Amino acid sequence: ELKVEQNPLFLSMQEGKNYTIYCNYSTTSDRLYWYRQDPGKSLESLFVLLSNGAVKQEGRLMASLDTKARLSTLHITAAVHDLSATYFCAVDLIQGAQKLVFGQGTRLTINP
Amino acid sequence: DAGVIQSPRHEVTEMGQEVTLRCKPISGHDYLFWYRQTMMRGLELLIYFNNNVPIDDSGMPEDRFSAKMPNASFSTLKIQPSEPRDSAVYFCASIKGGGHYGYTFGSGTRLTVV
Repeated sequence: ELKVEQNPLFLSMQEGKNYTIYCNYSTTSDRLYWYRQDPGKSLESLFVLLSNGAVKQEGRLMASLDTKARLSTLHITAAVHDLSATYFCAVDLIQGAQKLVFGQGTRLTINP
Repeated sequence: DAGVIQSPRHEVTEMGQEVTLRCKPISGHDYLFWYRQTMMRGLELLIYFNNNVPIDDSGMPEDRFSAKMPNASFSTLKIQPSEPRDSAVYFCASIKGGGHYGYTFGSGTRLTVV
C-alpha cells in the first residue's frame, strides 16, 4: 500500500524555537510538495521539490528532499505565531499520473 | 487568473436530498481532482479527470457519489441521496499536465448533512 506519513501530527512550540516536521513515503518518487492550510481555508502551495537533494527556502521555512531515504523535512527556524497552521506533504507516487497522495498533516501551534 | 472556483462555499442539506458541488478549474489546466477532507480521514482523493475523461474513480465511496466533467471549464460532484456521514469539506484542484507546480486548490465547499 502506498503511504505518506508525517511526524509529528501535532506540534506545539514556543515562538523563537526551531523544529522539524518529517514526511516519509513508501515508494520511489522524485517529486514532493508541501502545502499549508489555515483553519477553515484551502491548501496553499509552499514548496515543490523535484529531485534528490533539492532544498527550498522561504522566510523561516526550509524544505529538503532525500529520495534515497524517501524522506522530506520541513524545518522551521525561529518560529513566529503567523506560522501556526496545518502543513501537508504530498508525493506524486505514480510518475506522470499527476496523482498526489497526501500525508495526514501536521497541526502546528506556535505560542507567544 | 481567478484560480480554481468552487460553489457553493457552504451547503446545508437534509439527509436524503441531492447535493451538487461545482468546480471551474484554471483555464489551460487539463487535470481536475476532487478531494474530501474530514478530521477522521484527512484528505481523500475521490476522482480525477484528464482532458475531461475520468481516469481514476477508485476513491469514490459508493454509488451515491458521481462526478462529471462535461467540458474543460466545468465539473460537478453529485451526492444522491446524501447522508450525515458525507459531511466534510470538498476540494477541487487542477493542474496542467507536465507542470511541476503542484495542484492549485479551490476554496472548498463545506457540506453539512443533517
